[in-house]
Amino acid sequence: GAGVSQSPSNKVTEKGKDVELRCDPISGHTALYWYRQRLGQGLEFLIYFQGNSAPDKSGLPSDRFSAERTGESVSTLTIQRTQQEDSAVYLCASSSTFSETQYFGPGTRLLVL
Amino acid sequence: RKEVEQDPGPFNVPEGATVAFNCTYSNSASQSFFWYRQDCRKEPKLLMSVYSSGNEDGRFTAQLNRASQYISLLIRDSKLSDSATYLCVVNRGTDKLIFGTGTRLQVFP
Repeated sequence: GAGVSQSPSNKVTEKGKDVELRCDPISGHTALYWYRQRLGQGLEFLIYFQGNSAPDKSGLPSDRFSAERTGESVSTLTIQRTQQEDSAVYLCASSSTFSETQYFGPGTRLLVL
Repeated sequence: RKEVEQDPGPFNVPEGATVAFNCTYSNSASQSFFWYRQDCRKEPKLLMSVYSSGNEDGRFTAQLNRASQYISLLIRDSKLSDSATYLCVVNRGTDKLIFGTGTRLQVFP
């Protein structure tokens, strides 16, 4: 069956531009997570959606970062006024419930010049 | 203190060796435990869940010690293909999963 997909797979942008990253979770998965992973570093939690509950935004590093999810489908992560330190791989994962196995997408590699 | 802590390594071991990783967690109400594997420049993938009684999957054995709040992963007869970063994952009580920063394993010929 289809796994988690993300687009674009790679994104190069100039400092100060806005970018939008997309995640398509596995159908029927109620939980969706966004993570950031800098080169050689661990996963950094950004935001978590669980069904219709208010999202857990506790990991967003600044107000330049925001994310939306419509129902239990697609999610978009938006970074406004990108900075060079935003360069990283942005990973999305979904799971059937909040505490069950997470399935990751291939990630979006973002490079801010 | 981090919610999930791991020794970052790297652990450098020869083929055929046995290697063990430990991970400690801070929330005593945690109920779900996993080990994930992440290859270089790839996304993390589930290696195995960790059950209270311990569980084995081929060369891999996972153990849970609730009293001391740690989980372990044992890899027997290491293969070159085992080289990766191993991530310890714990749920925060009844809340979302928390990932450790990972332990890097390098198996050499």
